[in-house]
Amino acid sequence: GDSVTQMEGPVTLSEEAFLTINCTYTATGYPSLFWYVQYPGEGLQLLLKATKADDKGSNKGFEATYRKETTSFHLEKGSVQVSDSAVYFCALSNNQGGKLIFGQGTELSVKP
Amino acid sequence: EAQVTQNPRYLITVTGKKLTVTCSQNMNHEYMSWYRQDPGLGLRQIYYSMNVEVTDKGDVPEGYKVSRKEKRNFPLILESPSPNQTSLYFCASSQTLGGNQPQHFGDGTRLSIL
Repeated sequence: GDSVTQMEGPVTLSEEAFLTINCTYTATGYPSLFWYVQYPGEGLQLLLKATKADDKGSNKGFEATYRKETTSFHLEKGSVQVSDSAVYFCALSNNQGGKLIFGQGTELSVKP
Repeated sequence: EAQVTQNPRYLITVTGKKLTVTCSQNMNHEYMSWYRQDPGLGLRQIYYSMNVEVTDKGDVPEGYKVSRKEKRNFPLILESPSPNQTSLYFCASSQTLGGNQPQHFGDGTRLSIL
């Protein structure tokens, strides 16, 4: 079945460092891909999405490009801030009952 | 403000005592679902509903029930809770069932079953 694999955390960075969180997927057809962010004590919020190959989703300085040839959707940010500390989830949706299939989540901690 | 509201946020209870977690959305969304979040497993779908009176099982439905009598509400029912249902639960909604629709999540309900 469909699945999502994320790099394991926790990831600890200094402020202004470059961030990459790897995400690869296995799916039939052409899924939509998402990154969600979960701040402490809160629910998940959509960070960005891409619905077809070569699309780039972007929001709040974060970017991810839908790469069908490598089945990847890596999250990047050029300069992280302390306020970016959160858990990041990669997810796909393949029109299977509207279900989102999530990776295990990557905890990011940014130190001043 | 558009939101998904879950109650309670935290609950500690005992094995076998029936409980209900409520979920309500104010966005007139057709699609609602429940997920549980466990360490190392991400979120897994329990049940979903495509509209009023239409519900179906997700990946981990055992031990749970749901109902959708009104469009805005989608309660999760644990008839006889067991310790393996200790988890963090999220309700989510989206406008339609379409695969490219982002889902809006509640703030979560942390259940501890002793």
